[in-house]
Amino acid sequence: EVQLVESGGVVVQPGGSLRLSCAASGFTFDEYTMHWVRQAPGKGLEWVSLISWDGGSTEYADSVKGRFTISRDNTKNCLYLQMNSLRNEDTALYFCAKGVGAPHHWGQGTLVTVSS
Amino acid sequence: AIQLTQSPSSLSASVGDRVTITCRASQDIRSALAWYQQKPGKAPNLLISDASSLERGVPSRFSGSGSGTDFTLTISSLQPEDFATYYCQQFHSYEELTFGGGTKVESK
Repeated sequence: EVQLVESGGVVVQPGGSLRLSCAASGFTFDEYTMHWVRQAPGKGLEWVSLISWDGGSTEYADSVKGRFTISRDNTKNCLYLQMNSLRNEDTALYFCAKGVGAPHHWGQGTLVTVSS
Repeated sequence: AIQLTQSPSSLSASVGDRVTITCRASQDIRSALAWYQQKPGKAPNLLISDASSLERGVPSRFSGSGSGTDFTLTISSLQPEDFATYYCQQFHSYEELTFGGGTKVESK
């Protein structure tokens, strides 16, 4: 069974930094593109970033470009999102998701709150 | 960036109703469109990919159609468990995926 478990979400002050993790199991992690998608409270889904199976290719939404960095450790079956210069508008539930194109499997999310 | 416009943003329907949700892309995305269902507090669930391919385990009352810029999600006979929010998502542009704004299906 595919499992994606996010962690690392906390309350952080504006301008702060945070690293999210996503532990993957139940599939061959190093064969799949992985995504981060977020959802602000009461709002819709917003794609954040993706990373190719080998980490060689990454893409970012304009709203996070230059502030967030996606990475992966295929030896640990883990996906990461380094979040710097956090803003109030980054407050959201952050999901990791598996698969190129239309992600088939999603975690349950980890909540990031940016507030002073 | 490719924009997706969903309509309506919300609708009220009764069990047994036929429900139709539309998604319009700002440019031709061929058939690179997916539909998701999301219930409160839960992760999205992929219903349809490639505009019309039903995912395994998804009830056949769900169907998708369209190509190019205009797409439709249809629920042929709404069931109680179908009250949820639905999102379209394009993956034609690998560099930047996009979601529609969502359609909340509520009980009349």
